[in-house]
Amino acid sequence: GAGVSQSPRYKVAKRGQDVALRCDPISGHVSLFWYQQALGQGPEFLTYFQNEAQLDKSGLPSDRFFAERPEGSVSTLKIQRTQQEDSAVYLCASSVPRGTSGKMESTDTQYFGPGTRLTVL
Amino acid sequence: GQNIDQPTEMTATEGAIVQINCTYQTSGFNGLFWYQQHAGEAPTFLSYNVLDGLEEKGRFSSFLSRSKGYSYLLLKELQMKDSASYLCAVRYSGYALNFGKGTSLLVTP
Repeated sequence: GAGVSQSPRYKVAKRGQDVALRCDPISGHVSLFWYQQALGQGPEFLTYFQNEAQLDKSGLPSDRFFAERPEGSVSTLKIQRTQQEDSAVYLCASSVPRGTSGKMESTDTQYFGPGTRLTVL
Repeated sequence: GQNIDQPTEMTATEGAIVQINCTYQTSGFNGLFWYQQHAGEAPTFLSYNVLDGLEEKGRFSSFLSRSKGYSYLLLKELQMKDSASYLCAVRYSGYALNFGKGTSLLVTP
Protein backbone atom coordinates (compact mmCIF):
# COMPACT_ATOMS: atom_id res chain seq x y z
CA GLY A 1 0.00 0.00 0.00
CA ALA A 2 0.98 3.65 -0.09
CA GLY A 3 3.52 4.87 2.40
CA VAL A 4 3.76 8.16 4.24
CA SER A 5 3.77 11.09 1.84
CA GLN A 6 4.90 14.64 2.45
CA SER A 7 4.57 17.85 0.48
CA PRO A 8 6.21 19.88 -0.73
CA ARG A 9 9.40 17.87 -1.08
CA TYR A 10 11.44 21.08 -1.29
CA LYS A 11 10.65 24.53 0.03
CA VAL A 12 12.72 27.69 -0.19
CA ALA A 13 11.61 30.56 2.01
CA LYS A 14 12.92 34.00 2.67
CA ARG A 15 13.73 34.76 6.27
CA GLY A 16 10.60 35.96 8.02
CA GLN A 17 8.14 34.10 5.80
CA ASP A 18 5.65 31.58 7.14
CA VAL A 19 5.68 28.01 5.78
CA ALA A 20 3.29 25.06 6.02
CA LEU A 21 4.45 21.48 5.57
CA ARG A 22 1.99 18.67 4.98
CA CYS A 23 2.09 15.02 6.00
CA ASP A 24 -0.26 12.28 4.79
CA PRO A 25 0.24 9.25 7.04
CA ILE A 26 -0.41 5.66 6.10
CA SER A 27 -4.17 5.11 6.08
CA GLY A 28 -5.43 3.92 9.45
CA HIS A 29 -2.30 4.84 11.36
CA VAL A 30 -3.21 6.28 14.73
CA SER A 31 0.05 7.90 15.69
CA LEU A 32 1.87 10.63 13.82
CA PHE A 33 5.27 12.13 14.59
CA TRP A 34 7.25 15.09 13.29
CA TYR A 35 11.06 15.12 13.38
CA GLN A 36 13.66 17.67 12.29
CA GLN A 37 16.86 16.43 10.65
CA ALA A 38 19.75 18.83 10.20
CA LEU A 39 22.43 18.04 7.64
CA GLY A 40 24.65 15.19 8.81
CA GLN A 41 22.62 14.61 11.95
CA GLY A 42 20.02 12.14 13.10
CA PRO A 43 16.36 13.13 13.26
CA GLU A 44 15.25 15.02 16.37
CA PHE A 45 11.75 14.68 17.78
CA LEU A 46 9.42 17.65 17.48
CA THR A 47 5.89 16.53 18.32
CA TYR A 48 3.52 13.55 18.53
CA PHE A 49 -0.19 13.06 17.81
CA GLN A 50 -2.46 10.20 18.71
CA ASN A 51 -5.46 10.62 16.42
CA GLU A 52 -6.25 14.35 16.60
CA ALA A 53 -4.78 14.86 20.06
CA GLN A 54 -1.33 16.38 20.34
CA LEU A 55 0.08 14.39 23.25
CA ASP A 56 3.65 15.64 23.23
CA LYS A 57 5.07 18.85 21.82
CA SER A 58 8.14 18.99 24.00
CA GLY A 59 10.51 18.97 21.02
CA LEU A 60 9.17 22.06 19.28
CA PRO A 61 12.11 24.50 19.39
CA SER A 62 10.09 27.69 19.80
CA ASP A 63 6.60 29.11 19.77
CA ARG A 64 7.11 29.82 16.06
CA PHE A 65 6.49 26.12 15.45
CA PHE A 66 2.94 24.85 15.45
CA ALA A 67 1.48 21.49 14.41
CA GLU A 68 -2.08 20.30 13.97
CA ARG A 69 -3.98 17.19 12.93
CA PRO A 70 -7.60 18.31 13.14
CA GLU A 71 -9.30 15.18 11.77
CA GLY A 72 -6.82 12.61 12.96
CA SER A 73 -5.32 11.92 9.55
CA VAL A 74 -3.42 14.62 7.61
CA SER A 75 -1.10 16.80 9.68
CA THR A 76 0.42 20.21 9.02
CA LEU A 77 3.57 21.62 10.58
CA LYS A 78 3.62 25.39 10.41
CA ILE A 79 6.67 27.54 11.01
CA GLN A 80 6.11 31.25 11.43
CA ARG A 81 8.69 33.96 10.74
CA THR A 82 11.24 31.44 9.49
CA GLN A 83 14.88 31.85 10.49
CA GLN A 84 18.01 30.47 8.85
CA GLU A 85 18.46 27.97 11.67
CA ASP A 86 15.13 26.41 10.68
CA SER A 87 16.77 25.07 7.51
CA ALA A 88 16.56 21.29 7.76
CA VAL A 89 14.66 18.26 6.51
CA TYR A 90 11.34 17.83 8.27
CA LEU A 91 10.34 14.18 8.53
CA CYS A 92 6.91 12.80 9.30
CA ALA A 93 6.36 9.27 10.61
CA SER A 94 3.25 7.27 11.39
CA SER A 95 2.52 4.06 13.25
CA VAL A 96 -0.34 1.79 14.17
CA PRO A 97 -0.90 -0.42 17.21
CA ARG A 98 0.85 -3.73 16.68
CA GLY A 99 -1.20 -5.62 19.25
CA THR A 100 -4.84 -6.55 19.21
CA SER A 101 -5.79 -4.29 22.09
CA GLY A 102 -5.94 -1.29 19.82
CA LYS A 103 -3.80 0.65 22.26
CA MET A 104 -0.53 2.20 21.20
CA GLU A 105 2.56 0.51 22.59
CA SER A 106 6.02 1.92 22.77
CA THR A 107 7.22 -1.00 20.65
CA ASP A 108 5.23 0.08 17.61
CA THR A 109 7.37 0.74 14.56
CA GLN A 110 7.38 4.19 13.01
CA TYR A 111 7.28 4.47 9.21
CA PHE A 112 8.81 7.59 7.76
CA GLY A 113 7.96 9.80 4.81
CA PRO A 114 10.62 11.22 2.46
CA GLY A 115 10.67 14.56 4.23
CA THR A 116 10.44 18.20 3.20
CA ARG A 117 13.76 19.93 2.73
CA LEU A 118 13.33 23.52 3.94
CA THR A 119 15.90 26.12 3.02
CA VAL A 120 15.59 29.55 4.59
CA LEU A 121 17.55 32.27 2.84
CA GLY B 1 20.70 13.48 27.43
CA GLN B 2 20.53 9.98 26.09
CA ASN B 3 24.02 10.09 24.48
CA ILE B 4 23.37 7.71 21.64
CA ASP B 5 26.75 7.18 20.03
CA GLN B 6 27.67 5.50 16.77
CA PRO B 7 30.67 5.88 14.45
CA THR B 8 30.40 8.68 11.91
CA GLU B 9 31.71 6.80 8.91
CA MET B 10 32.67 3.28 7.89
CA THR B 11 33.97 1.75 4.68
CA ALA B 12 33.71 -1.89 3.66
CA THR B 13 34.18 -4.01 0.56
CA GLU B 14 31.43 -5.56 -1.51
CA GLY B 15 30.74 -9.11 -0.33
CA ALA B 16 32.25 -8.54 3.11
CA ILE B 17 30.65 -8.27 6.57
CA VAL B 18 30.43 -5.03 8.51
CA GLN B 19 29.35 -4.34 12.11
CA ILE B 20 28.00 -0.93 13.12
CA ASN B 21 28.01 -0.31 16.85
CA CYS B 22 25.70 1.86 18.93
CA THR B 23 25.95 2.71 22.62
CA TYR B 24 23.28 4.45 24.66
CA GLN B 25 22.31 5.49 28.15
CA THR B 26 20.58 2.54 29.82
CA SER B 27 18.34 4.38 32.29
CA GLY B 28 14.72 4.22 31.15
CA PHE B 29 15.50 2.08 28.09
CA ASN B 30 12.41 0.80 26.30
CA GLY B 31 13.53 -0.52 22.92
CA LEU B 32 16.08 0.05 20.16
CA PHE B 33 15.50 0.45 16.43
CA TRP B 34 17.82 0.46 13.43
CA TYR B 35 16.89 2.40 10.30
CA GLN B 36 18.58 2.71 6.89
CA GLN B 37 18.52 6.06 5.13
CA HIS B 38 19.71 6.67 1.59
CA ALA B 39 20.58 10.26 0.75
CA GLY B 40 17.46 12.33 0.20
CA GLU B 41 15.13 9.48 1.11
CA ALA B 42 13.00 8.36 4.03
CA PRO B 43 14.54 6.33 6.84
CA THR B 44 13.38 2.73 6.39
CA PHE B 45 12.91 0.32 9.27
CA LEU B 46 15.45 -2.50 9.56
CA SER B 47 15.13 -4.05 13.00
CA TYR B 48 13.85 -3.77 16.54
CA ASN B 49 15.35 -5.13 19.76
CA VAL B 50 13.98 -4.89 23.28
CA LEU B 51 15.34 -8.12 24.80
CA ASP B 52 18.96 -9.23 24.94
CA GLY B 53 20.22 -11.25 22.04
CA LEU B 54 20.41 -11.43 18.30
CA GLU B 55 17.58 -10.78 15.86
CA GLU B 56 18.30 -12.09 12.37
CA LYS B 57 16.51 -10.90 9.28
CA GLY B 58 18.08 -12.04 6.02
CA ARG B 59 21.44 -10.36 5.44
CA PHE B 60 20.88 -8.03 8.38
CA SER B 61 21.11 -8.93 12.08
CA SER B 62 20.86 -6.77 15.18
CA PHE B 63 22.18 -7.51 18.64
CA LEU B 64 21.30 -5.97 21.98
CA SER B 65 22.88 -6.04 25.44
CA ARG B 66 20.67 -4.04 27.78
CA SER B 67 23.05 -4.22 30.74
CA LYS B 68 25.89 -2.78 28.66
CA GLY B 69 23.80 -0.24 26.79
CA TYR B 70 25.14 -1.66 23.54
CA SER B 71 23.76 -2.74 20.20
CA TYR B 72 25.21 -3.56 16.83
CA LEU B 73 23.86 -3.96 13.33
CA LEU B 74 25.57 -6.68 11.29
CA LEU B 75 25.38 -6.55 7.52
CA LYS B 76 26.50 -9.65 5.62
CA GLU B 77 27.31 -10.17 1.94
CA LEU B 78 27.53 -6.45 1.41
CA GLN B 79 26.13 -5.03 -1.81
CA MET B 80 26.78 -1.66 -3.39
CA LYS B 81 23.19 -0.66 -2.66
CA ASP B 82 23.92 -1.01 1.07
CA SER B 83 25.85 2.28 0.89
CA ALA B 84 23.68 4.49 3.08
CA SER B 85 23.40 6.06 6.51
CA TYR B 86 22.43 3.69 9.34
CA LEU B 87 20.55 5.25 12.21
CA CYS B 88 20.39 3.82 15.73
CA ALA B 89 17.31 5.01 17.64
CA VAL B 90 16.35 4.36 21.25
CA ARG B 91 12.96 4.73 22.85
CA TYR B 92 12.83 5.81 26.47
CA SER B 93 9.58 6.98 28.04
CA GLY B 94 6.77 7.91 25.73
CA TYR B 95 6.68 7.18 22.03
CA ALA B 96 9.36 9.42 20.53
CA LEU B 97 12.55 7.95 19.11
CA ASN B 98 15.93 9.35 20.13
CA PHE B 99 18.36 9.02 17.25
CA GLY B 100 22.10 8.89 17.04
CA LYS B 101 23.82 10.99 14.40
CA GLY B 102 23.97 8.05 12.02
CA THR B 103 26.78 6.03 10.52
CA SER B 104 27.56 6.68 6.87
CA LEU B 105 28.56 3.36 5.27
CA LEU B 106 30.42 3.29 1.97
CA VAL B 107 30.61 -0.04 0.17
CA THR B 108 33.45 -0.19 -2.35
CA PRO B 109 33.95 -2.64 -5.22
